Amino acid sequence: DGGITQSPKYLFRKEGQNVTLSCEQNLNHDAMYWYRQDPGQGLRLIYYSQIVNDFQKGDIAEGYSVSREKKESFPLTVTSAQKNPTAFYLCASSLNRGVGEAFFGQGTRLTVV
Amino acid sequence: GENVEQHPSTLSVQEGDSAVIKCTYSDSASNYFPWYKQELGKGPQLIIDIRSNVGEKKDQRIAVTLNKTAKHFSLHITETQPEDSAVYFCAATSINSGGSNYKLTFGKGTLLTVNP
Repeated sequence: DGGITQSPKYLFRKEGQNVTLSCEQNLNHDAMYWYRQDPGQGLRLIYYSQIVNDFQKGDIAEGYSVSREKKESFPLTVTSAQKNPTAFYLCASSLNRGVGEAFFGQGTRLTVV
Repeated sequence: GENVEQHPSTLSVQEGDSAVIKCTYSDSASNYFPWYKQELGKGPQLIIDIRSNVGEKKDQRIAVTLNKTAKHFSLHITETQPEDSAVYFCAATSINSGGSNYKLTFGKGTLLTVNP
């Protein structure tokens, strides 16, 4: 089945540690996105990539890093520089070039203690 | 950049009643307006979308209306059922033939509760 997979579903890390969240899609989508969701805040864009080996900062990129070495993979690293990393992280993908629908993964809940 | 406001933040209705959620956007260049439903602990799923070349779109019990002049769009759910209970998000973006800069800007969400 085609889809977008995030792993793990739950992640716990100690403060000061970097952590990488996985996102893989087999939909052959060009574009991939990372959003952060906090209660009452909606979804805020962290980074997005429209093509392999290229990505752009979203609205809240500070303290995060990404890579796009393969079309199907877009991992997100939450670094120790992110001041408030505990949140629900959502990855999405879409076709590029004028087609609208974005498909979301099931999310990773990161808790930093 | 785009700014999307969504109201109300919470909505409680009786089963069988209608529910309406409203959103406004700021960027007149936006031309694509999807609505997502998010159940607890899951990722959002697209339920309906509308492009700026139409004013209304319907899919069974769900409809979306768009007023480009006023820059607002609304989600209408008729004959609500308990399984409609979820958080609903509106979003807006500009999609052009060049395909550049496709970024959804989301509203803050509406928690809909349908009481049996």
